[in-house]
Amino acid sequence: GAVVSQHPSRVICKSGTSVKIECRSLDFQATTMFWYRQFPKQSLMLMATSNEGSKATYEQGVEKDKFLINHASLTLSTLTVTSAHPEDSSFYICSARAGGPNSGNTIYFGEGSWLTVV
Amino acid sequence: TQLLEQSPQFLSIQEGENLTVYCNSSSVFSSLQWYRQEPGEGPVLLVTVVTGGEVKKLKRLTFQFGDARKDSSLHITAAQPGDTGLYLCAGAPRTGNQFYFGTGTSLTVIP
Repeated sequence: GAVVSQHPSRVICKSGTSVKIECRSLDFQATTMFWYRQFPKQSLMLMATSNEGSKATYEQGVEKDKFLINHASLTLSTLTVTSAHPEDSSFYICSARAGGPNSGNTIYFGEGSWLTVV
Repeated sequence: TQLLEQSPQFLSIQEGENLTVYCNSSSVFSSLQWYRQEPGEGPVLLVTVVTGGEVKKLKRLTFQFGDARKDSSLHITAAQPGDTGLYLCAGAPRTGNQFYFGTGTSLTVIP
């Protein structure tokens, strides 16, 4: 079945540095990818929606200069947290919507990435 | 932005009890999905409801989509400890390309 791979699964970085999280659709083309942030025992908060080849659409309150999203191909989207601070520590999850006329617009989720900023 | 409000936010019940989780919005959705998530993992799809008024059953779980396609409910019969987890409704509003999750319901079933 369709798989979305997210990497790294866990990352620790120093405050002030940048960290990149990758989201790959392994056996389908993802016309749209979504990035979410989740705090413990809370729901997934949509950060941005990215379409291949175009700029991401950020949700209100999400700093686009801090959370850089690139969707350069139909199988890869990246989220870069720039100048990370401890309050950016969270669980980040990506998902991908399969494209094409017979895809049914099914959405597949990555395994998530734990970011800890020290 | 979370267009979908779930209630209750937290629920702790004894094994064997029944429960209902509600998912409400002021927006119309072409479909709604229910997920269950374990800590540190991605959400797992339970069901998709598409038609207003639709009822779907998955073993002890019953899902309903409101007639106006703005709300949904999840009913669990005879809850078991294995049902413990975070339950999330989610969907894409008819306008826009986003996919939003509800506020979540954390369920604990006590043996």
